[in-house]
Amino acid sequence: GQQVMQIPQYQHVQEGEDFTTYCNSSTTLSNIQWYKQRPGGHPVFLIQLVKSGEVKKQKRLTFQFGEAKKNSSLHITATQTTDVGTYFCAGLYNFNKFYFGSGTKLNVKP
Amino acid sequence: SAVISQKPSRDICQRGTSLTIQCQVDSQVTMMFWYRQQPGQSLTLIATANQGSEATYESGFVIDKFPISRPNLTFSTLTVSNMSPEDSSIYLCSVVPLSGHGYTFGSGTRLTVV
Repeated sequence: GQQVMQIPQYQHVQEGEDFTTYCNSSTTLSNIQWYKQRPGGHPVFLIQLVKSGEVKKQKRLTFQFGEAKKNSSLHITATQTTDVGTYFCAGLYNFNKFYFGSGTKLNVKP
Repeated sequence: SAVISQKPSRDICQRGTSLTIQCQVDSQVTMMFWYRQQPGQSLTLIATANQGSEATYESGFVIDKFPISRPNLTFSTLTVSNMSPEDSSIYLCSVVPLSGHGYTFGSGTRLTVV
């Protein structure tokens, strides 16, 4: 089946440090979405990237979609304790079915 | 965006029994999906719930084990049949809202099989 690889699996940062998670697909994606899941919660949609080379920002979060539409990244500037959670990318291959990456669990120490 | 009510939120079940999970959406949606999330893991797509026809299952998931119904555009059920401890997981329904941007997830059903 389709697979989206995501790294790192875990990231521990000091509050104020930056954080980046990366997703990679062996085949071209139609688009990619990013989700955040707080501990004990369900995934919450953050953003969708569609165009090759697209960059979108949400406050301290910057999302990028690679030129070849095979990779993507989420970068958080100056992390806060409210950023704690697991961040998932989800790649769309066809028919509106998204395949989720393995997730990056972010812990922020105050 | 669509609001999803998923029930039950959690259950503890005996092995060999079945549990039906319900997902009710407050508006009509075209696509509904069922996911499984094992503890500390990512989300795995079980199937696409098709309105008025049989669900489309992903590799590794079969209708006899996970029968799905979708009688209309706002409701779907997933049954976990003949449960074993390996079925202990969180089950989530999700929908594609009319905006087409991003899945909306139900709050999940935390299933423990003993």
